[in-house]
Amino acid sequence: ELKVEQNPLFLSMQEGKNYTIYCNYSTTSDRLYWYRQDPGKSLESLFVLLSNGAVKQEGRLMASLDTKARLSTLHITAAVHDLSATYFCAVDGGTGGGADGLTFGKGTHLIIQP
Amino acid sequence: NAGVTQTPKFQVLKTGQSMTLQCAQDMNHEYMSWYRQDPGMGLRLIHYSVGAGITDQGEVPNGYNVSRSTTEDFPLRLLSAAPSQTSVYFCASSYGPEGGQPQHFGDGTRLSIL
Repeated sequence: ELKVEQNPLFLSMQEGKNYTIYCNYSTTSDRLYWYRQDPGKSLESLFVLLSNGAVKQEGRLMASLDTKARLSTLHITAAVHDLSATYFCAVDGGTGGGADGLTFGKGTHLIIQP
Repeated sequence: NAGVTQTPKFQVLKTGQSMTLQCAQDMNHEYMSWYRQDPGMGLRLIHYSVGAGITDQGEVPNGYNVSRSTTEDFPLRLLSAAPSQTSVYFCASSYGPEGGQPQHFGDGTRLSIL
C-alpha cells in the first residue's frame, strides 16, 4: 500500500523567510504532483514532477523530486502573505496519468504572517 | 470550457437517504476519480474510472457506487447515507496514461448527513 507523508503538517512563518515542505512516499514512483488549496476552494495544480532529479519553479515556489530517496520538496523563497494556503503532495503509484487515482499526503497548512 | 463540473455544491441528507453526486467534464479526459476530503486526512480515493464502462475501487469505496456510461459523466451514488459520510467530495479528471498532466478537480460537493 502506497503511503505519502508530508511534514510539517502546520507551518507558521514570517514574510520574507525561506522554508521547505517535505513529502516522503513509500513505494517506487516517478510521478509526483503538488497542489495548492485555499480555504473552501478546490485544488489547484502547482507542479508535475515526472522523473528523478526533476525541478520545477514558479515564482517563489520550487519543487524537486528524488525518486531514489522517495522524497519531494517544495521550497518557498522570501514568503509573502498570498502564499498562505494548504499544500498537498500526491503520488501516482499506478500505471500512469493518474489512472489508478492519486495517493495524497495529509497536507501542510501554511500561514505566512506579516 | 467549463472543466470539471460538480453538482450540487451543498447538500444536507438524513441518515438512510440515498443520493447521487454528479460530475461532468468537457475535456474528453479518459480518467476520472472521486475523492473525499476530511479534516486532517488529506484526500482519499473512493472510486476511479479509466474509461467508459470501466470502474474500480479506491481506498474507501464502502457505501458508494459509481458507473461510467459516457466519457463525460461519472456520478457517485450514496446508497444509504451515514453520518460518517459527511465530507467534502471532489471529482477529478485527467488525460490517459501518457502522464505529464495533472488531475483537474471540480469545485467540490459539501455533504452533511444528519
